[in-house]
Amino acid sequence: QAVVTQEPSLTVSPGGTVTLTCGSSTGTVTSGQWPYWFQQKPGQVPRTLIYDVDKRHSWTPARFSGSLVGGKAALTLSGAQPEDEADYYCSLSYSRTHAVFGGGTKLTVL
Amino acid sequence: QVQLVQSGAEVKKPGASVNVSCKTSGYTFSSFGIVWMRQAPGQGLEWMGWIYHGITNYAQNLQGRVTMTTDTSTNTAYMELRSLRFDDTAVYYCMRTHGGYWGQGTLVAVSS
Repeated sequence: QAVVTQEPSLTVSPGGTVTLTCGSSTGTVTSGQWPYWFQQKPGQVPRTLIYDVDKRHSWTPARFSGSLVGGKAALTLSGAQPEDEADYYCSLSYSRTHAVFGGGTKLTVL
Repeated sequence: QVQLVQSGAEVKKPGASVNVSCKTSGYTFSSFGIVWMRQAPGQGLEWMGWIYHGITNYAQNLQGRVTMTTDTSTNTAYMELRSLRFDDTAVYYCMRTHGGYWGQGTLVAVSS
């Protein structure tokens, strides 16, 4: 089974920019793997921020954006706010038969 | 608006089965699949499987213990997990494909 890798933790300053990445043990991440990004705050249900690489929901703040960079899926936060402190998970689909979550990135805004 | 409402918390003994439901509304049920995931206490998310038009794919480590079904008359998805073990204790989530709309989660606790 493929392994999806994320940075275990990252720190960003308020107002700063940070990029979280999502890599695959099978090689380059493609749009056909439907990368998703989820945000989870303590004690809350995860919510989808980005799906299919770069599609936002109505509830997704404009400061979050998704892309494919350097063979990985990426979530960029531009202008970090204190309320963005959370765990972030990505998921990738494989051959449309199964999906795998990354281990999550704990983002600190400090 | 799209809504997924899951059944309530369950406490089960080891070896028992649990059935979690996920009632959907606000969209055409048959046009999208349902993904099931779980999150053990203090851990990350684990993909369990999905169902779309009656076709299922399950995580390898759950093959033989999990069954996912849908009832199109009530727009409801179901996930049954059998032969429960202590390490199946987790919050179980359903999520609609294409867009990732989540249910509120169902705590399943396995305790003797």
